[in-house]
Amino acid sequence: DIQMTQSPSVLSASVGDRVTLNCKASQNINKYLNWYQQKLGEAPKLLIYNTNNLQTGIPSRFSGSGSGTDFTLTISSLQPEDFATYFCFQHNSWPLTFGSGTKLEIK
Amino acid sequence: VQLVESGGGLVQPGKSLKLSCSASGFTFSSYGMHWIRQAPGKGLDWVAYISSSSGTVYADAVKGRFTISRDNAKNTLYLQLNSLKSEDTAIYYCARTGYWGQGVMVTVSS
Repeated sequence: DIQMTQSPSVLSASVGDRVTLNCKASQNINKYLNWYQQKLGEAPKLLIYNTNNLQTGIPSRFSGSGSGTDFTLTISSLQPEDFATYFCFQHNSWPLTFGSGTKLEIK
Repeated sequence: VQLVESGGGLVQPGKSLKLSCSASGFTFSSYGMHWIRQAPGKGLDWVAYISSSSGTVYADAVKGRFTISRDNAKNTLYLQLNSLKSEDTAIYYCARTGYWGQGVMVTVSS
């Protein structure tokens, strides 16, 4: 199985900061990496699909990059509504797997 | 697009439960569908997938115990959960690429 490792597990930041979240796959997953945002008590929401494609309706301050095994999600200027948990997800190989998440907290 | 899960509840270990996911707002028969679960306070675990042509794939943790199926005439996705264990306790979400339901809670406890 492909293991997805996210870092850091917790990130403290302030409104207006630029932040980068990391996701590393244990094997090559090509471009097949999605990013999800989850707020407490809600279902996850798709932000980025296939590494760098912004889902419809998602603000342009979110962007994704990477290839192969190393991927990043960047939020260019944090807004109050961005404080949440972020999960990466590989859909290159069965079984599909999620990272354990990065919790983005207010500093 | 709307996905609405139902059928969750409290069930004893070793028993069975069947979850449903009612889909609307898109051509259900054209899309592969997933079940994904999240134990309380934990991360996300992919459970199973069914293609538009009803091919299926399962996570090892549920293989042989859970069965994913679909009824395109009813626009409904199902997950049959058998031989339930305490570690199956979770919110179960149905999902299509880009869209998730609100989830349904399954609690396995005596």
